Amino acid sequence: IQLTQSPSSLSASIGDRVTITCRASQGVRSYLTWYQQKPGKAPRLLIYGASTLQTGVPSRFSGSGSGTDFTLTISTLQPEDFATYHCQQHDDYPLTFGGGTKVEIK
Amino acid sequence: EVQLVESGGGLVQPGGSLRLSCAASGFIFSDYYMDWVRQAPGKGLEWLARSRNRANSYSTEYAPSVRGRFTISRDESMDSVHLQMNSLETEDTAMYFCSRRSMASAYAFDFWGRGTMVTVSS
Repeated sequence: IQLTQSPSSLSASIGDRVTITCRASQGVRSYLTWYQQKPGKAPRLLIYGASTLQTGVPSRFSGSGSGTDFTLTISTLQPEDFATYHCQQHDDYPLTFGGGTKVEIK
Repeated sequence: EVQLVESGGGLVQPGGSLRLSCAASGFIFSDYYMDWVRQAPGKGLEWLARSRNRANSYSTEYAPSVRGRFTISRDESMDSVHLQMNSLETEDTAMYFCSRRSMASAYAFDFWGRGTMVTVSS
């Protein structure tokens, strides 16, 4: 299952609303996860089951979608949100990740 | 506190072998699936291998890109998971992460190690 993230990168300002999409080449039900990764660090789990916020993740992050089309939204971008975001499907082997979306400061 | 600590990375020549280890603590190791994921420099994440839990006989799954070259295994006595990598290619150069599959978060990877770097070069 191929996951296509868009955009591959974006520039945004503090306070902006940011939306990242992840499209699967075939349905993955709701087995879609979003991770945040900062340079030199391991990925951090943000959202699982397409829309459930992991404990400790700020509520400005939200996820939606099912089947083949998914969205990660950051409602009000904060300085600590500048990072790369990855989607991953857990519905079938081999498990796969999207190509990542780098969120940069405008 | 859950901790995953990888080790064993380094510089190896093409065609060579390397064995990575991941020491786990802070949870009942035998209850969890464990995975290896890698990230080539400047690239995205790539899932490599899975070891299921004891209840599933520690059965395994592999990505096509490494099946037949890489082997995942577990040492229950040491709460560790290993990745034996053979016939290494320059394309295997990457940071290798160990991760734990959550039992409560729709199969997501809820904990990750910091990674160990593997460089394949002559």
